[in-house]
Amino acid sequence: GAVVSQHPSWVICKSGTSVKIECRSLDFQATTMFWYRQFPKQSLMLMATSNEGSKATYEQGVEKDKFLINHASLTLSTLTVTSAHPEDSSFYICSASGLAGRLNEQFFGPGTRLTVL
Amino acid sequence: AQSVTQLDSQVPVFEEAPVELRCNYSSSVSVYLFWYVQYPNQGLQLLLKYLSGSTLVKGINGFEAEFNKSQTSFHLRKPSVHISDTAEYFCAVYSGGSNYKLTFGKGTLLTVNP
Repeated sequence: GAVVSQHPSWVICKSGTSVKIECRSLDFQATTMFWYRQFPKQSLMLMATSNEGSKATYEQGVEKDKFLINHASLTLSTLTVTSAHPEDSSFYICSASGLAGRLNEQFFGPGTRLTVL
Repeated sequence: AQSVTQLDSQVPVFEEAPVELRCNYSSSVSVYLFWYVQYPNQGLQLLLKYLSGSTLVKGINGFEAEFNKSQTSFHLRKPSVHISDTAEYFCAVYSGGSNYKLTFGKGTLLTVNP
């Protein structure tokens, strides 16, 4: 139980285009989803926290107009990188919480590798 | 504010040797503590967690960790490592807030050599 998937697992796009990454909780309802960014050989940096049906809460320094987050249902959150540039290339990981009896635990997706040319 | 310090960025060991990965945290309130493992190009997998109760926590793959409140530490140990334990290990802390937001350490790369 508590499986989180991400799609796509990797994506290459041209500079200036937008890319959408999906995060799904497959077998539980995720009341909260988190989006992280990870640079090579570094830790996870929390970008934003989203609760189903409400606007995402962004961490300081994260551009909300560039990284659009939507949490439209209890099993799906999306991260859209708008007008992507090479510096947006990174590994993006989502996590979800809300599993009954394990509310304090985040379950992580496998990550999405974004390369912007 | 809470923070997590992983003192060693890299730990090389030989197969079947014991290993300890160190983690210290700072928080003014009670905490939940977690250790995650990340294999290359993958997401994070929970190894173990401390919420309350016994300070010695056992996790998957033979790992265990001990919560030491006086030293604000949560070191991860394994008595005998395998080549397959080679991975990045992250310590994380949660200390309040309705969204269970985690603060991660910078990670420790464990490399097990034959």
